[in-house]
Amino acid sequence: QKEVEQNSGPLSVPEGAIASLNCTYSDRGSQSFFWYRQYSGKSPELIMFIYSNGDKEDGRFTAQLNKASQYVSLLIRDSQPSDSATYLCAVKSGGGADGLTFGKGTHLIIQP
Amino acid sequence: DAEITQSPRHKITETGRQVTLACHQTWNHNNMFWYRQDLGHGLRLIHYSYGVQDTNKGEVSDGYSVSRSNTEDLPLTLESAASSQTSVYFCASSLAGAQETQYFGPGTRLLVL
Repeated sequence: QKEVEQNSGPLSVPEGAIASLNCTYSDRGSQSFFWYRQYSGKSPELIMFIYSNGDKEDGRFTAQLNKASQYVSLLIRDSQPSDSATYLCAVKSGGGADGLTFGKGTHLIIQP
Repeated sequence: DAEITQSPRHKITETGRQVTLACHQTWNHNNMFWYRQDLGHGLRLIHYSYGVQDTNKGEVSDGYSVSRSNTEDLPLTLESAASSQTSVYFCASSLAGAQETQYFGPGTRLLVL
């Protein structure tokens, strides 16, 4: 059974600070890793994806992947109140059209 | 603009009725997926398809079926709705390939009484 674990939160971070969201996964064959943001009552929205070990930066967001530790994280710099949402970590194993395995999400609150 | 749509956005039905949720994408994506989202469980895969006439079962497929007669549409059918199928349903699509990114529709909120 493939599992993706996230701390459900809520994680409270002051505006302007760095928010750090973490995710671990059980399937060592996992190849692709995604972070989605979901506002209440809305659909998941892709923020970033990462395939290789190391860091990947996109604007205020940095995804970090460590396959040896089966760990992926998302850093949000200069956090804004609009970043308050639930962040979903998703993992895809191998090729083909298999669906994603999602964590239950971390609820992030940015305090003005 | 290309997009993915779902209909209806909200649905109330009774136990035992057949219900079909529509999903339509205009990105010409080969791959399409159905997920359900419930409190305490997160998003779980119901069925997926990687092309016309292809369908596959996901983690929670019991009581659901899909068919793929063209690239744009993947309707989800609840054959005999049960209260346990009250949920929010999301359709997603992606290009074919090993590392394709999935894009989600707006969701359908289904209540089974």
